[in-house]
Amino acid sequence: AQTVTQSQPEMSVQEAETVTLSCTYDTSENNYYLFWYKQPPSRQMILVIRQEAYKQQNATENRFSVNFQKAAKSFSLKISDSQLGDTAMYFCAFYNNNDMRFGAGTRLTVKP
Amino acid sequence: EAGVAQSPRYKIIEKRQSVAFWCNPISGHATLYWYQQILGQGPKLLIQFQNNGVVDDSQLPKDRFSAERLKGVDSTLKIQPAKLEDSAVYLCASSLTPGQGKDTQYFGPGTRLTVL
Repeated sequence: AQTVTQSQPEMSVQEAETVTLSCTYDTSENNYYLFWYKQPPSRQMILVIRQEAYKQQNATENRFSVNFQKAAKSFSLKISDSQLGDTAMYFCAFYNNNDMRFGAGTRLTVKP
Repeated sequence: EAGVAQSPRYKIIEKRQSVAFWCNPISGHATLYWYQQILGQGPKLLIQFQNNGVVDDSQLPKDRFSAERLKGVDSTLKIQPAKLEDSAVYLCASSLTPGQGKDTQYFGPGTRLTVL
């Protein structure tokens, strides 16, 4: 079975600085999808960014980018120019063949 | 566009009682998911529907949990009887295209269940 590991339970960053959240996963599959979802306090979970495993180019969405290392099974999220509204739980997730797995999450606090 | 709706938002029950949760996905979304999120953990997929058929329920404890999606729209998740370890937030999500796991999942606000 696929597993997703987020080794940083909590992180903090100063406003306007850059922070990187780590995620590793374990799978024997070659084609799959990876996601970062954000869950703000008392608000609904929303998609931040998506990466398709067969694409070598790292996905970017405005201030959010990923470093996808397929051989190392690593999928980190970089947030540039951190904003107070980025404060949230961030979940890394893996999808293959109707199986969706989430990591335990990293709680990110952006400090003014 | 209305988002995913869930009710109730909170529920407190005694162990061995029954409880049901309701989810209304985004209009037109073919795929519906139910997740269990225990405090301090990531969501765990319980069951996935494509229209009104079950795609995957391998992680659903079928001795006490059941779910249905009548007419391919609304869905209910039931627990009978509840155990203390069922205390969690139950999240419903929907996505547009059948069988496309790469699709964005849109989550509801969740139902927080406390079993005493």
